[in-house]
Amino acid sequence: GENVEQHPSTLSVQEGDSAVIKCTYSDSASNYFPWYKQELGKRPQLIIDIRSNVGEKKDQRIAVTLNKTAKHFSLHITETQPEDSAVYFCAAASSGNTPLVFGKGTRLSVIA
Amino acid sequence: NAGVTQTPKFQVLKTGQSMTLQCAQDMNHEYMSWYRQDPGMGLRLIHYSVGAGITDQGEVPNGYNVSRSTTEDFPLRLLSAAPSQTSVYFCASSYSIAGSGNTIYFGEGSWLTVV
Repeated sequence: GENVEQHPSTLSVQEGDSAVIKCTYSDSASNYFPWYKQELGKRPQLIIDIRSNVGEKKDQRIAVTLNKTAKHFSLHITETQPEDSAVYFCAAASSGNTPLVFGKGTRLSVIA
Repeated sequence: NAGVTQTPKFQVLKTGQSMTLQCAQDMNHEYMSWYRQDPGMGLRLIHYSVGAGITDQGEVPNGYNVSRSTTEDFPLRLLSAAPSQTSVYFCASSYSIAGSGNTIYFGEGSWLTVV
């Protein structure tokens, strides 16, 4: 089955700097890669996703890149703000009736 | 628009007790699932369902039962609670199983402590 590795587990950046979180996956058939943000004490919520027919996707300060050959994808946050502080989860899913598999999460702290 | 509703939000159980975590969604989603979240372990899938009458095991199913008698409801039963089941539990749903790229919506979570 699918295995998703996420790095780093913790990340601290200064406000205004960029943050990058990386994930690798094992199943070459996986074709859907969402990212979820979980604020302290809250539920995870989708912030951006990418499908395997796209190499990069941007939404304001957030971007995700996908390298199918290397089987890895990354979340990029530019001009970080204190409200970006949260735990971020990557996930991967194959086509068909298979559930999402999540990485173990990255705790991002943005220092003002 | 309620989305995914979980109850209770907080619960303390004694070892050996049984209980049911309730989950309901009002979005007519076929796919529902239960995750547990432990520090440093991410979101681990317990059980999932692709439609009424159909359930399947996830990564960590031992000690838990589920049923899906209606599209809306997907309760999670702890048969005989153990301290290792102390965790935060999230119910989630999506239009169909996420392999087809459908957004998963999570409930607010249920904090369970087993003493």
